[in-house]
Parts: sequence; structure tokens; C-alpha cells
Amino acid sequence: RKEVEQDPGPFNVPEGATVAFNCTYSNSASQSFFWYRQDCRKEPKLLMSVYSSGNEDGRFTAQLNRASQYISLLIRDSKLSDSATYLCVVVPGAGSYQLTFGKGTKLSVIP
Amino acid sequence: GAVVSQHPSRVICKSGTSVKIECRSLDFQATTMFWYRQFPKQSLMLMATSNEGSKATYEQGVEKDKFLINHASLTLSTLTVTSAHPEDSSFYICSAAIQGDQPQHFGDGTRLSIL
Repeated sequence: RKEVEQDPGPFNVPEGATVAFNCTYSNSASQSFFWYRQDCRKEPKLLMSVYSSGNEDGRFTAQLNRASQYISLLIRDSKLSDSATYLCVVVPGAGSYQLTFGKGTKLSVIP
Repeated sequence: GAVVSQHPSRVICKSGTSVKIECRSLDFQATTMFWYRQFPKQSLMLMATSNEGSKATYEQGVEKDKFLINHASLTLSTLTVTSAHPEDSSFYICSAAIQGDQPQHFGDGTRLSIL
């Protein structure tokens, strides 16, 4: 089983749609979780951290289910500028910042 | 915010050439720098972790003699791909952190193409 698994997509959605991405991780001892965004041929950029209680940042909502080892990202009211690849990232243990990246889920928001 | 500069952004060279990529933290001192590689449609894979003044720690399957990492100062780490071959063509990205357990800031990446 891969350490971090994501549905590769692509997800093609119209502007204004709500879209959800899922991610599972294999290491139950993982401590920290993030969603990154990567534009084509660019470096990844931190979108948001994921907390156990769930957290929201504008149109973006992230949730974590430790029991199921599952992370989600919800994007509401999709914009054209949201088109990118969304990477689920896991940090395996406390005191470490070695990031383990999923392959990413590609999102295309269509006019 | 923290800025990490990576240079060059694009390299095209012949097989057998050695290529050096620089990663600089411009406005902070980075005790720890990370080097990643990303093949098309694949996830970023950590190649090695380097701490200033120490030898780099390489991930399993990464040849330390082929991918030479130097982290001689708190603001600069270099990755040298020695005797590069077409299979080394990839997107190489560095990141820097004030310390190993602090958030990483990514460079812009270097797209390496070996002919």
C-alpha cells in the first residue's frame, strides 16, 4: 500500500461547483497533514494545514479522520484560478518535517 | 515571507555532463534543506535531507555518489547530478527550513533534460 494515496482525477468541474478530494495514508503514527497546490511545472505551495477538528479557510475546508486515516479537501464555489493539482501531504512523525507527498489530484475548472 | 531561490530553472545538456543546482534561502538561515525529485505525473519524492555542516542523509534508492549534496552555509545548498543520463531528466525541487521540524519553503524548481 502506498504511503499516501489520492485519486489522480482529473476532476473537470464548472465554475461555481463544489468539489471534494480525498486522500488516505498508511502510517497510523503520522502527525501532521497538509494540502499543497501545484500549478503545472511549478513548485508546490502550501494551501492549508489539516487539523483533527477540521478547519476552514475561505472557500476551502479540510478534514481529518485519524481512525480511518483519511483526509479531505472541499472547495466551494470553484474559480478558474483553482485549476491546479492538489497534493495531499503527510508528515510521518513528531519532531520531523519530512514531507511525504501523494501523487496529486488534478482539478480543471471550466468556464 | 520566507523566500527560497533555486537556480537554474531550466537545464538542457548532453548525456555525461554534470549539472549543479543551487538552492538559496534569501531571507532566513536554513539549518536544513531538502531535495526532491518529481517525474511526470508522479509525486514529489524526497531524495535527501541536508543539515548545514553535515553530510546529507539520502533516501533509500538514491545514489549518494551520483547526487552530490553540499550544504556548506546556512543559506546555500547545492545538488550536483554527476554524469547525468536521460533517465535523470526530471523536475528537481529544493526546500529549506530554519530547522528540520519547521515548515519548509520551496524553491521554484529546476527542470533538467538530458539529451
